[in-house]
Order: sequence, then C-alpha cells, then structure tokens
Amino acid sequence: DGGITQSPKYLFRKEGQNVTLSCEQNLNHDAMYWYRQDPGQGLRLIYYSQIVNDFQKGDIAEGYSVSREKKESFPLTVTSAQKNPTAFYLCASSIKDRTTNEKLFFGSGTQLSVL
Amino acid sequence: AQKITQTQPGMFVQEKEAVTLDCTYDTSDQSYGLFWYKQPSSGEMIFLIYQGSYDEQNATEGRYSLNFQKARKSANLVISASQLGDSAMYFCAMREDVITGGGNKLTFGTGTQLKVEL
Repeated sequence: DGGITQSPKYLFRKEGQNVTLSCEQNLNHDAMYWYRQDPGQGLRLIYYSQIVNDFQKGDIAEGYSVSREKKESFPLTVTSAQKNPTAFYLCASSIKDRTTNEKLFFGSGTQLSVL
Repeated sequence: AQKITQTQPGMFVQEKEAVTLDCTYDTSDQSYGLFWYKQPSSGEMIFLIYQGSYDEQNATEGRYSLNFQKARKSANLVISASQLGDSAMYFCAMREDVITGGGNKLTFGTGTQLKVEL
C-alpha cells in the first residue's frame, strides 16, 4: 500500500544533541512538507520541498534543517539551536504544489521530547 | 492576523445528532482552497473535504458537508448523524493562490476537539 512512513514514533533528545526524524513516501509525490504541532496552536510549517535537491523555509525554520536528495525521502534534523523542540512532528506530501486544490497526505507523526 | 480562525476549542454532540464546526478565514486572493482534516488520538491527519473558492455548490462527502459562505469568509464543517468514531480533533485549513516562482502552502487553524457522546 502506498503511503507516508515516519520514524521513530517517539524520540528523545538530550541537551545539545541533534536528532533526525525520518520521512519516506512511496506515493511518487513531488512535494513534501514538515509541520510542527504544539497543543492549542495547530500545525505550523517548518520546511517544504517541491522537487529533489530544492527546499524552502516555512514559517518556523529556525533551529531545523532538511535535505531532499531523493524524491521519496525528506528527513528533518532538529538541531541544538532549536531551544524548544518538544512537539509532535508531521510529515506530508502532495502530488505537486501548484494548485489550490492540492491536498496533503500525512504520515502518523513523531513525538519528540527533551530529556 | 490569523488566516484561519476556529473559535470552538471543544464541542460535544450526542450520537446520531448533527454538529457544525466553525471556520472563518482571511485572504485577499480570489482563488483559494479550503480543507478540513480530522486528527484522531493516534495522530495521523485524515483529509475529509475540499471547497474551492470558485465552486458554486457546497462540497459534500458522505456524512460531511461544507457550508461555504464566501461573502462572510466562512467554511463551516457539518457532520450529520454523528458516530462515536467521529470523536477527534478537526482542523480547517486554507491554500491560497500560487505565486509564480514560489510555493504555496496549507495554513491551519488551531482546531476543534469534538467529543461524541452516547
């Protein structure tokens, strides 16, 4: 079955440590996204990528980095510069990113907590 | 300013009753899309329904319908015949027109927690 796989489901980070969240899709989608979800704040866009080897910052990119070396994969690194990383992270994809009716398909999320 | 506003943090509805979840939006674009997603406690986001700004008919998908009032900039979700499995967080989202050379993105509201009771 096609879909988006996020791993791990739960992740713990120590102070000063970088951690990487995995996101893989087999839907052959061009565009991929990372959202952060905090209680009471809805989803906020961290980074997105419309094509391999290209990505753009979203609304809250500081303290995060991404890469898009393959169409199927869009890993997110939470760096030590992100001072409040505890949140639920959702990866999503869409066929393209050029029309207003383009819906997102989401993974099941990763809960990141700071030790 | 908030682009998507959901004023109901929590709602209760009895099983088999209908419920309306409110969503208002703010945009100066003529072309935009409005979405509703459901998030159960397991965390994944499930697409429910879409309404385009130029669509003349209100969107419907099974028990879900979207009450689109363009002049009032509202896009309320109506769930008919509520079921226990409808208990979840519901998010309204908007995608504005594509700007040449840049990507567009889905902007989400803060969500409404719906609880269906027996």
